[in-house]
Amino acid sequence: NAGVMQNPRHLVRRRGQEARLRCSPMKGHSHVYWYRQLPEEGLKFMVYLQKENIIDESGMPKERFSAEFPKEGPSILRIQQVVRGDSAAYFCASSPGTGITEAFFGQGTRLTVV
Amino acid sequence: GENVGLHLPTLSVQEGDNSIINCAYSNSASDYFIWYKQESGKGPQFIIDIRSNMDKRQGQRVTVLLNKTVKHLSLQIAATQPGDSAVYFCAETGVTGNQFYFGTGTSLTVIP
Repeated sequence: NAGVMQNPRHLVRRRGQEARLRCSPMKGHSHVYWYRQLPEEGLKFMVYLQKENIIDESGMPKERFSAEFPKEGPSILRIQQVVRGDSAAYFCASSPGTGITEAFFGQGTRLTVV
Repeated sequence: GENVGLHLPTLSVQEGDNSIINCAYSNSASDYFIWYKQESGKGPQFIIDIRSNMDKRQGQRVTVLLNKTVKHLSLQIAATQPGDSAVYFCAETGVTGNQFYFGTGTSLTVIP
């Protein structure tokens, strides 16, 4: 049973480009959480999704950021018109049911904006 | 949002000694707490968890203590090994249980 898979592991984008981060949850998990980690800081919640539904997006910036978790395929975190301040590690976690207490994290995608 | 903070940003211990990492939280209604270990370049890895109806929980070489009176959480690592060197985060689920609120992290360095 593979763990939470995130890809790419490293992503470099120029300012103004779009970044698409993918997260495949563990088998049997239908809940996905996205977190952002700036250097030397803790993880900050961004968004919580179930299949085809956004449950809690209270941590998502109002502009340029969006997330989806379609019926088929991985969850996608999309950042439009990236800026230097978007450089961070983005982690995805998945859980089998409601609530995050049984969540497992992926290895993260490290986004660098140049 | 919630406020979960750590007392010390760095901790160095001799191999074989015990380590204690502390954490303060602000939401007295939090029901669930967890400690994660994060090695360089990797995602957070579960260490141990505890619910608010418990004061202490033990795992293999690790113990978590919860003091709800002062809203304090600690992680004790017995016989610390070089492989324990990492950043340790405490986190709480807050009221909704929909997310974790993470502290800043404590960097543990084990000196051989």
